[in-house]
Amino acid sequence: EVELVQSGAEVKKPGESLRISCKGSGYRFTSYWISWVRQMPGRGLEWMGRIDPSDSYINYSPSFQGHVTISADKSISTAYLQWNSLEASDTATYYCARLVEPTRGGRFDPWGQGTLVTVSS
Amino acid sequence: QSALTQPASVSGSPGQSITISCTGTSSDVGAYDYVSWYQQHPDKAPKLMIYDVSNRPLGVSNRFSGSKSGNTASLTISGLQAEDEAVYYCTSYSTTNSLYVFGTGTTVTVL
Repeated sequence: EVELVQSGAEVKKPGESLRISCKGSGYRFTSYWISWVRQMPGRGLEWMGRIDPSDSYINYSPSFQGHVTISADKSISTAYLQWNSLEASDTATYYCARLVEPTRGGRFDPWGQGTLVTVSS
Repeated sequence: QSALTQPASVSGSPGQSITISCTGTSSDVGAYDYVSWYQQHPDKAPKLMIYDVSNRPLGVSNRFSGSKSGNTASLTISGLQAEDEAVYYCTSYSTTNSLYVFGTGTTVTVL
């Protein structure tokens, strides 16, 4: 079974750093891009960026470029989303999703269970 | 890159059919047949329901179907069931730097 398992919920203070993870299993991790998607409380989905785990090539959404860092460690089939300095507005649930057929547009399937990040002083 | 436009809510009685629209531009929905739809139940991760405008993944009920005309894509749920109550999001590949743009989301209520 193809599965993405994300790290647990986090509570942080403004200015702190954070890295959350997404571990893939049940498929060849390097054969599929991983995307990250943000969902702020009570709001819709926003695409943040994608990474090709085979070579760590990354595309960021302009809305998130410079504020987050996406990375991957193919040796342990894990992708990461990182912040150097969190803000209260980063409070959201973050999903990773496998990107299928990116050369033909792509679709997100499956999704991780989500990681809730709460940033509060 | 603005979000694709969806109605905030759609409702129907059990057994009825409903259609959710997803309107974009010639840079996204109108540019490619790469529209997909996701179902999200409360406090759950989204689930792929339709991809490439009208294709269903294995395991998704044939009560779900998709189509597209110009800059507007549509998701139709036929034979509405209580379990279909959820928020539905469309998404499209885009020619802009954003690459992928999501819709605003539609809450489906089964009366």
